[in-house]
Amino acid sequence: ETGVTQSPTHLIKTRGQQVTLRCSSQSGHNTVSWYQQALGQGPQFIFQYYREEENGRGNFPPRFSGLQFPNYSSELNVNALELDDSALYLCASSLGTPQETQYFGPGTRLLVL
Amino acid sequence: EDQVTQSPEALRLQEGESSSLNCSYTVSGLRGLFWYRQDPGKGPEFLFTLYSAGEEKEKERLKATLTKKESFLHITAPKPEDSATYLCAVQIIQGAQKLVFGQGTRLTINP
Repeated sequence: ETGVTQSPTHLIKTRGQQVTLRCSSQSGHNTVSWYQQALGQGPQFIFQYYREEENGRGNFPPRFSGLQFPNYSSELNVNALELDDSALYLCASSLGTPQETQYFGPGTRLLVL
Repeated sequence: EDQVTQSPEALRLQEGESSSLNCSYTVSGLRGLFWYRQDPGKGPEFLFTLYSAGEEKEKERLKATLTKKESFLHITAPKPEDSATYLCAVQIIQGAQKLVFGQGTRLTINP
């Protein structure tokens, strides 16, 4: 059984650019959640996808968007990058039923210059 | 507003010196409380889930407990390899099943 994987591991962008981060969920999981973790802070919920539909969103602007594909892998897109977008972006997968554990991938470290 | 607070922010112990980490929460509709371990630059690694007050879970040198307003992560006779940031999160349902995290406790075990 493979765990959650994310790509790329590291990324450097400049302000105003756009970025796409990718996540493959753990085998058998149909729900993917994305979190942003600033240095020294706990992860903050961005949004969640269940069976290819967004079913909840945190306090992030519309320039943060996502997709989930039929194989339950997912993308996080961020447009018009700002310096404050520099963070570790974490993807977590789960079975999507209440109280199910979310299992995290290794993260993508994004630096915006 | 749903809130999770962890204390202390950082804790330095000698190898073998037992201690406890605290996680207090104010949420509506708690579905579960989760503990994760995070090593520098890595994703959080799942440790425990607790669902109801009075519940306890153990794994090696770690034991997690839950009351109606807080959770404790007890670490007994820690080793240097237990050094990490320990994150507490509560699961709430607002459309999505989202995790609300505390800021973490950075634990250092000196040999």
